[in-house]
Amino acid sequence: NAGVTQTPKFRVLKTGQSMTLLCAQDMNHEYMYWYRQDPGMGLRLIHYSVGEGTTAKGEVPDGYNVSRLKKQNFLLGLESAAPSQTSVYFCASSYPKSGQLHNTEAFFGQGTRLTVV
Amino acid sequence: GNSVTQMEGPVTLSEEAFLTINCTYTATGYPSLFWYVQYPGEGLQLLLKATKADDKGSNKGFEATYRKETTSFHLEKGSVQVSDSAVYFCALSDSGNTGKLIFGQGTTLQVKP
Repeated sequence: NAGVTQTPKFRVLKTGQSMTLLCAQDMNHEYMYWYRQDPGMGLRLIHYSVGEGTTAKGEVPDGYNVSRLKKQNFLLGLESAAPSQTSVYFCASSYPKSGQLHNTEAFFGQGTRLTVV
Repeated sequence: GNSVTQMEGPVTLSEEAFLTINCTYTATGYPSLFWYVQYPGEGLQLLLKATKADDKGSNKGFEATYRKETTSFHLEKGSVQVSDSAVYFCALSDSGNTGKLIFGQGTTLQVKP
């Protein structure tokens, strides 16, 4: 029962470097999300996808790009990392029953702790 | 826009004490409300949820009631254990049928033996 798997779990980047965070889910979920968690601010949505080949901006999308080429994978890219992107990143997925998306549980990965120096 | 406000932590309790973590929300429409829990070193997992006014969600001894008149969804447990030490997040489902969640700031609970 892998659920939602994030890679890597930890990473240190220098300012200006780029990287990609990978999220993989094996539950055949349609919807996937990337959140960032910062102290005192809870989780904030960066980007999300409602199906393969689709992406949309969330609350804090600047500095990030995403791709959903395969249903099971959702990639988060940082083209030029900045210290303000130091955070813990969580991927989540959900599978809405028809007409019940508003009360559908989201399943989260274990997080990626990213430090930009 | 929609928002969630939680009481600030950390909350430190002795084992078997009563727990309340306050959560209030601002929302248009009729969102669903959730409590997620994050144990050390892990991702978030759903603790309980309520989908309409006056619904009570419950799980593992925790309860929360969806109070539309006070726009609240306070988390309670009658007798906490050391194993309940974690960060608790209140959240609501955003509008637009996308499954997006809006989270509160999180409340850290530490239970001492």
